[in-house]
Amino acid sequence: QVQLQESGPGLVKPSKTLSLTCTVSGGSISPYYWSWIRQPPGKGLEWIGNFYYSETTNYNPSLKSRVTISVDMSKNQFSLKLTSVTAADTAVYYCARHEYRITISGVVTPLGMDVWGQGTTVTVSS
Amino acid sequence: EIVLTQSPATLSLSPGDRATLSCGASQSVTNSHLAWYQQKPGLAPRLLIYDASTRATGIPDRFSGSGSGTDFTLTISRLEPEDFAVYYCQQYGNSLPYTFGQGTKVEIK
Repeated sequence: QVQLQESGPGLVKPSKTLSLTCTVSGGSISPYYWSWIRQPPGKGLEWIGNFYYSETTNYNPSLKSRVTISVDMSKNQFSLKLTSVTAADTAVYYCARHEYRITISGVVTPLGMDVWGQGTTVTVSS
Repeated sequence: EIVLTQSPATLSLSPGDRATLSCGASQSVTNSHLAWYQQKPGLAPRLLIYDASTRATGIPDRFSGSGSGTDFTLTISRLEPEDFAVYYCQQYGNSLPYTFGQGTKVEIK
């Protein structure tokens, strides 16, 4: 059974870089799509971005200039870096796996997110 | 960006009642690539439905999804005590970014 675990500092100073890692256990990173999502306190969910292997990476345009998602296949981990953080970046950060479908032409299409980490709270404060 | 608007914001019902939650999209969602999630306090969201109407693995059949284009519905046929939670719709079609609705809270009346 696949499990995801987010890890990283719980407190980041304003203007610094937020760095989180998601460790995948009980399964492989391929051939899935993987996403980062965040949820500010008392608010809804915001998709940050996703990747497929190391071929494709997509970012939310609202964060694109500050976000980098990378993968380390050898460690079965992927990471999120968010630069120049402010208090508005305070949130619970989740990593998640997408279900997928393979089309007739052999393209892997991501579907809903069926496996989630428990989430990690990141507070931006001096 | 596709904006998803969920209604109502809060639904007050009793166990055994039928719950009908709506999700409207500002543009047509490609291939009905719409999912529904349930979230309880302090926990990660749980996938209920994908592709608008396909139940995820292990989801009870009292949960059903329907709709296409810009109008989607999640129905819970008979509410169980564990169903009281917040529900989010999310589109994952060809139009990036993926977006979520603002959520509908189903509370005990």
